[in-house]
Amino acid sequence: DGGITQSPKYLFRKEGQNVTLSCEQNLNHDAMYWYRQDPGQGLRLIYYSQIVNDFQKGDIAEGYSVSREKKESFPLTVTSAQKNPTAFYLCASSIDRAAHPHNEQFFGPGTRLTVL
Amino acid sequence: AQSVTQLGSHVSVSEGALVLLRCNYSSSVPPYLFWYVQYPNQGLQLLLKYTTGATLVKGINGFEAEFKKSETSFHLTKPSAHMSDAAEYFCAVTRGTGNTGKLIFGQGTTLQVKP
Repeated sequence: DGGITQSPKYLFRKEGQNVTLSCEQNLNHDAMYWYRQDPGQGLRLIYYSQIVNDFQKGDIAEGYSVSREKKESFPLTVTSAQKNPTAFYLCASSIDRAAHPHNEQFFGPGTRLTVL
Repeated sequence: AQSVTQLGSHVSVSEGALVLLRCNYSSSVPPYLFWYVQYPNQGLQLLLKYTTGATLVKGINGFEAEFKKSETSFHLTKPSAHMSDAAEYFCAVTRGTGNTGKLIFGQGTTLQVKP
């Protein structure tokens, strides 16, 4: 079955540690996205990538980093510079929406990160 | 700049009653509009979308939405609520005239369905 997988589902981090969240898709989508979700704030875009080896900052990129070495993978690293990292993180992908803006984004099941 | 406003962070209805979730947008260009549903601790699932053409859009699970340009609205409705409809609902609009493909999401509306 085609889809997006995120791992782990739950992640606990000590203050000062970097952690990496995995996102993999087998939909052959060009574009991938990372969102952060906090209660009552909707989804906020962290980073996005429209093509392999290229990515852009979203609205709240500070304290996060990404890579896009393969089309199917877009890992997110939450660094110690992120002051309030406890949140639900969602990865999404889509066909190149710049060329096909009517196409929707498909979402993974999410990773809940808790800082201890 | 484009934006989305969902009126009401919580909506409560009785089972079998009409569901109405409100979404207003602002956009300087013709928008593409989406409604997503999220069940607890899960990702988002597309309910329906408006791109061009017919302004009444039908989606999954009996939901539909009507694009009203004059009112800049895209409200989500369902004639008869079911307990399984209890979830959080997000309205979203595409961003920007250059269209990098990014979406802007509303704050979300939590739907409670009472027996």
